[in-house]
This record gives sequence, C-alpha cells and structure tokens, in this order.
Amino acid sequence: AAGVIQSPRHLIKEKRETATLKCYPIPRHDTVYWYQQGPGQDPQFLISFYEKMQSDKGSIPDRFSAQQFSDYHSELNMSSLELGDSALYFCASSSPMISGETDTQYFGPGTRLTVL
Amino acid sequence: ELKVEQNPLFLSMQEGKNYTIYCNYSTTSDRLYWYRQDPGKSLESLFVLLSNGAVKQEGRLMASLDTKARLSTLHITAAVHDLSATYFCAVEEDFGNEKLTFGTGTRLTIIP
Repeated sequence: AAGVIQSPRHLIKEKRETATLKCYPIPRHDTVYWYQQGPGQDPQFLISFYEKMQSDKGSIPDRFSAQQFSDYHSELNMSSLELGDSALYFCASSSPMISGETDTQYFGPGTRLTVL
Repeated sequence: ELKVEQNPLFLSMQEGKNYTIYCNYSTTSDRLYWYRQDPGKSLESLFVLLSNGAVKQEGRLMASLDTKARLSTLHITAAVHDLSATYFCAVEEDFGNEKLTFGTGTRLTIIP
C-alpha cells in the first residue's frame, strides 16, 4: 500500500539559511499534519491542513510557514534556521472519518534536518 | 493544556516476561492511539482506541482504554526481542480537533 512520502530524507543547512520540506500524503487523504521531534523527545504538533486550508496550529515558530497545494501535497518552509531547529520532521496524513473507519494518522519516514 | 504522561519512561525486561505501559491524559478525549518507533525511524500505528472500554490485541500486544479514569494501558505478553522500541501513546484533544498530543514515550528494551 502507498505510504506518506517525504523529501528530502536528510538535509544539512547552516544557521540563518532556509529549508523546504515536502510531503506527499497517501492517495485520497486530504488532511496533512506536520510534527517536529527533537532528539529523545516526543513528536510535537506544528500545523495541519484540511482541503488546502490551515486547520490547526501548534507550536510552530513564526519563522516557519506551510501550505497545502491543489494536489494535496504540503510544504514546510523554514527560514532563519537556528541550531535548535535540528530535529526529525514528520508529515502525517489521514482521510475523513467514514463510518467504520478511523482518522488514524499515518506517518511518513521523516526528514532529518541538521543545522550547523 | 492537554497533558499526556507515560510510565515508565524506560523499561528493560527479559524475554518471556509480561509488563504493562501506562498512559494517563488530562482531557475528556475518547480517542487514543498507540504508536511504535524504532530508533531514527518513523512512527508505526499500532492501535486506535475510540471508546470507553475498548480493547484491541495484535500478537503479543494488547491495548485498552478507560476514558473515565483517563487511562490507557499497553500490555506486553511473553516479550520477545523484536518488541524492543519506543512506544508512544497519543491523544486527540477533542473530537474534530485531530492534532495529536504525544506522551513522553516508553523506551522498551527486551533482554534475551
């Protein structure tokens, strides 16, 4: 079965640079979530989109922005990178709850961002 | 603010033994998820618990949900080495608000 695709898988940037992470949800999934997981930490919710509109916002820095496009893929844009931004960034997708199904969020493989 | 706490944080157990991981949360949500994560890897969905009293089992793992006590448990039966991983519970804040708040995680190590 098709899974969530994230690219790139690894990214190394210098401080103050910018980065763009991409997420391709499971086909027919219309909701995308972004999470950040620091070393040894639990995943922290950043932002989510439903039908190309922002649906919820968590602890996402103002330096970060995201959007969902017409084909439902999403991009997380990160500017003025700081050392503390080094983390695993996960994208997850889900589909609308249909009778008998759940909104389980399926996670992609993650993008490991290292800021030097 | 929703808080999700797991215990223990670290668990080292011998193969063949049984143990339980606990997940307490502070909201009235009745939607709770369990995920498994291997080091540096993605989060794999294990169980979705959607109502009070829900119990689900897959192999040596069994998860249950008590919404009145705001408690979920993940029980491991006759542990095997392949179960070594970090296990997270995650809670939806309320119905329709789908963002997940994760517990602190339990790092499980199964010793041969």
